[in-house]
Amino acid sequence: SQQGEEDPQALSIQEGENATMNCSYKTSINNLQWYRQNSGRGLVHLILIRSNEREKHSGRLRVTLDTSKKSSSLLITASRAADTASYFCATGHDYKLSFGAGTTVTVRA
Amino acid sequence: GAGVSQTPSNKVTEKGKYVELRCDPISGHTALYWYRQSLGQGPEFLIYFQGTGAADDSGLPNDRFFAVRPEGSVSTLKIQRTERGDSAVYLCASSLGYKNTEAFFGQGTRLTVV
Repeated sequence: SQQGEEDPQALSIQEGENATMNCSYKTSINNLQWYRQNSGRGLVHLILIRSNEREKHSGRLRVTLDTSKKSSSLLITASRAADTASYFCATGHDYKLSFGAGTTVTVRA
Repeated sequence: GAGVSQTPSNKVTEKGKYVELRCDPISGHTALYWYRQSLGQGPEFLIYFQGTGAADDSGLPNDRFFAVRPEGSVSTLKIQRTERGDSAVYLCASSLGYKNTEAFFGQGTRLTVV
């Protein structure tokens, strides 16, 4: 079963704009991880945020986590054409990662 | 190698045939996962190994699916009597096996059953 649900399902933005996507989940977690996938193949790990953390940054990425609302957000700043991909959140509980259906982001040049 | 390696990259097989998909995890990673991803969906958990043992195989859809990891490194996912509904991308991931460690994925094997 898939735990995380991303919103929106699809997002189209102009190069240089910021992209924000959200993830909601239902049960308790140890961590939440964000991944990027190009062309339906391998998943690239972007960032892991632990349940006791509220915000984390990595380059142009900013992730927030609100465990009281069971939600997370991923912000990509100053988007580039190369950011066009599907983005997935995955909730980690013990050893298991459960994925949502993803957000498809298209960055227009 | 530097990352998780999966072979073959693509596999086309006839309905009813047997297939094996191979995963070579990152060296030193004790945890290994198999996921299946259908078009437009997120990855769906199949099985998790900690070392040589399958710690959780609750995601395997039926008894046609089986996976092994005999020496605690390379893993093979085996599918018997393949059906068209088995067509998907099969993804393998590995991690250090502790809580709150990142899982790194391979490029996947795209299985097409015709």
